[in-house]
Amino acid sequence: AQTVTQSQPEMSVQEAETVTLSCTYDTSESDYYLFWYKQPPSRQMILVIRQEAYKQQNATENRFSVNFQKAAKSFSLKISDSQLGDAAMYFCAYRSVQGGSEKLVFGKGTKLTVNP
Amino acid sequence: GAGVSQSPSNKVTEKGKDVELRCDPISGHTALYWYRQSLGQGLEFLIYFQGNSAPDKSGLPSDRFSAERTGGSVSTLTIQRTQQEDSAVYLCASSTYRGRETQYFGPGTRLLVL
Repeated sequence: AQTVTQSQPEMSVQEAETVTLSCTYDTSESDYYLFWYKQPPSRQMILVIRQEAYKQQNATENRFSVNFQKAAKSFSLKISDSQLGDAAMYFCAYRSVQGGSEKLVFGKGTKLTVNP
Repeated sequence: GAGVSQSPSNKVTEKGKDVELRCDPISGHTALYWYRQSLGQGLEFLIYFQGNSAPDKSGLPSDRFSAERTGGSVSTLTIQRTQQEDSAVYLCASSTYRGRETQYFGPGTRLLVL
């Protein structure tokens, strides 16, 4: 079974600085998807960024980018120019593309605090 | 357009009572998922619907939990004879198609069993 590990329960960053959240995963599959979701206190899970495993190029969405290392099974999220609104729980998630396995497998999350 | 909606937003119930949680997916989304978020277990998959059928029920923790989906749209998660360990946030998500599409989440229902 696939597992996702986020080794940093909490992180903090100064406003306008850069922070990197770590995620590793375990799978025997060659094709899959990886996601970062953000969950503010409102509870709404918001997609931040996604990466297809077959793509070598790292995904980027504005201030958010990933460092996808397939061989190392590592998928870190970099947030540049951090803003107060970035404060939230961040979850890394894995999704198989094999038939019948539709679920997301989540890590335990990293709580990000942004200091003014 | 409108996102995934869930009701109620919060639910307090007494141990032993039955509860129903509702999810309205994004219009046109054929796939629907239920997850549970609790302090001890993190985010856990419960069940997946494709249309009205449920090909994957592997995450339902006991036979007290059931879910149905009618008309390929609204889904109801029912918990019978609630226990205190059922207290959690229940999240619903939907996507356009299985396998390769992003899941979009609703705001969740916070269930507290006293």
